[in-house]
Amino acid sequence: SYELTQPPSVSVSPGQTARITCSGDALPDQYAYWYQKKPGQAPVLVIYQDTGRPSGIPERFSGSTSGTIVTLTISGVQAEDEADYYCQSANSSGSYQVVFGGGTKLTVL
Amino acid sequence: EVQLVESGGGLVQPGGSLRLSCAASGFNFRTYAMHWVRQAPGKGPEYVSAINSDGDSTYYVNSVKGRFTISRDNSKNTLYLQMDSLRIDDMAVYYCAREGGHVNVEWYFDLWGRGTLVTVSS
Repeated sequence: SYELTQPPSVSVSPGQTARITCSGDALPDQYAYWYQKKPGQAPVLVIYQDTGRPSGIPERFSGSTSGTIVTLTISGVQAEDEADYYCQSANSSGSYQVVFGGGTKLTVL
Repeated sequence: EVQLVESGGGLVQPGGSLRLSCAASGFNFRTYAMHWVRQAPGKGPEYVSAINSDGDSTYYVNSVKGRFTISRDNSKNTLYLQMDSLRIDDMAVYYCAREGGHVNVEWYFDLWGRGTLVTVSS
């Protein structure tokens, strides 16, 4: 089955740039999406269609893509950005399959 | 306020049934496809099921096909997930989520609820 692979954890100091990667063979052909999940809260869409930023999401959140790897970049990380981040995409070969990555815990030191 | 609120989770024995509900407010529910996503403890989210805006087309991941039924009542702004023949590996927090595509179903989720916990144990 199709998988998206993320690093389990990323740590940065406040004000630095955090980069969270997500790799998958179908990513060159399918859009990627990123969600932020804080304990006890609903997940929040922070990036759609690889690079789009929904209204209300701070400009410090951005997305990029290069081949089979997509990256969520958080510039000028703030303490409130500490959360789990999940990438999501799809695989349309064979039966359609919506897939999530295993998640990356962002720790703000 | 635009929100989704799930309910109906709880403790159930293997082989038992539960019906989850998701109450939508603050947006035109009847115009959106809706989804269920679940997350087991310590794991990434897993996609479960979808229903179109009219309720006449549904999709299920293979692991729940034949056991779960998604439905909606647009007059009540409510999404449902009937879960039968529950197994240990169905234990998870279940989230309802709104389809992010505004014309076509694009299989991403721009609004989520906080989730409801389903525990399957004897």
